Amino acid sequence: KNQVEQSPQSLIILEGKNCTLQCNYTVSPFSNLRWYKQDTGRGPVSLTIMTFSENTKSNGRYTATLDADTKQSSLHITASQLSDSASYICVVIPNYGGSQGNLIFGKGTKLSVKP
Amino acid sequence: DGGITQSPKYLFRKEGQNVTLSCEQNLNHDAMYWYRQDPGQGLRLIYYSQIVNDFQKGDIAEGYSVSREKKESFPLTVTSAQKNPTAFYLCASSNYPGLGYEQYFGPGTRLTVT
Repeated sequence: KNQVEQSPQSLIILEGKNCTLQCNYTVSPFSNLRWYKQDTGRGPVSLTIMTFSENTKSNGRYTATLDADTKQSSLHITASQLSDSASYICVVIPNYGGSQGNLIFGKGTKLSVKP
Repeated sequence: DGGITQSPKYLFRKEGQNVTLSCEQNLNHDAMYWYRQDPGQGLRLIYYSQIVNDFQKGDIAEGYSVSREKKESFPLTVTSAQKNPTAFYLCASSNYPGLGYEQYFGPGTRLTVT
């Protein structure tokens, strides 16, 4: 069964610190992997998109990595800010013989950045 | 100001009543989607439409209905047949027909049924 597992479920860090969120998936083959940021009570916003052949993708203080061999991705946040407090969702898109399938969402990691 | 709008932000209904959630986009996207989000759960696909006057069931379509009469509009009706309708509902659109292409999400509607 195609699954996307994220860890930790929640995380509290101090402002200015770095953190890394993990995503393990069993989807294979896959087309691309995305990280979204979702503020409380709002819709998700795309942070990064990586194809299966990419290893890393950056968007400002956000850097996503992908290891297709171990089926793991991580999202690293540098010099965290209070506005980084949100849920971070890992999404994997399966590849069914060249056509893309339904998005498979992880449950998210809830990050709280404290002053 | 381009984007996806959902209204209302909060909606309250009595059990047994049908309710319709609005979703409008001015991004000229062909495809639109409805997702449901429950606490501690990943987003689940309810319905999607790749073109006007056509739509497909997602993973959890039972108790829901949709229409796509205009490119920019994709309303979702939560019927009384939906056993647990209380949830956060998200609408999304993409600029290419196909479930895997970049999807842009609206702000969501939180539905509470008592």
